[in-house]
Amino acid sequence: GAGVSQSPRYKVAKRGQDVALRCDPISGHVSLFWYQQALGQGPEFLTYFQNEAQLDKSGLPSDRFFAERPEGSVSTLKIQRTQQEDSAVYLCASAVEGGDREKLFFGSGTQLSVL
Amino acid sequence: GESVGLHLPTLSVQEGDNSIINCAYSNSASDYFIWYKQESGKGPQFIIDIRSNMDKRQGQRVTVLLNKTVKHLSLQIAATQPGDSAVYFCAENSGGSNYKLTFGKGTLLTVNP
Repeated sequence: GAGVSQSPRYKVAKRGQDVALRCDPISGHVSLFWYQQALGQGPEFLTYFQNEAQLDKSGLPSDRFFAERPEGSVSTLKIQRTQQEDSAVYLCASAVEGGDREKLFFGSGTQLSVL
Repeated sequence: GESVGLHLPTLSVQEGDNSIINCAYSNSASDYFIWYKQESGKGPQFIIDIRSNMDKRQGQRVTVLLNKTVKHLSLQIAATQPGDSAVYFCAENSGGSNYKLTFGKGTLLTVNP
């Protein structure tokens, strides 16, 4: 289908490893979001892009987290020196317009387990 | 009752019954609210939204009620079906940002055939 695609679906990392999570938004969607969802909790905002511009990164937990969207389409969330508390599902969402309260379309997420 | 494993509020209903899922939101400045459905292994799926200038909105088999006085939101599902089994989240959009959503903890709905 033409939904939001995330890869890998599952990622197991040893503590201290770097990981990269990929998001392919719906074609033409201006807005892209990353959310973190801990087990049994609701998603929590990490960062927001409008095209290639990262307009808000206030939710990133530490400077080990970095996100980019260089060409305004695919986005990558990178986590350096992973810690056990980073274990969660990382959700990507996209929306048609920028800066409006548009309906978000979520991907199925990447489940990260840090051992 | 509460599921100890997931620490989520749970609601169990019989197929065909109506379901009511409740949510208390925290920010009195929030002016936009959304209900999402999340099935196991999938991302949240939009169900219905409501703005603060309304107190009720209806969709297909779903109704959202907003009580700003007590900061309470509810989702009513009519004639609940097994396919409605999922975790349901309310989300609010707080003033000062027109894109960032704050999600509630979620309620696990189980529909028994």
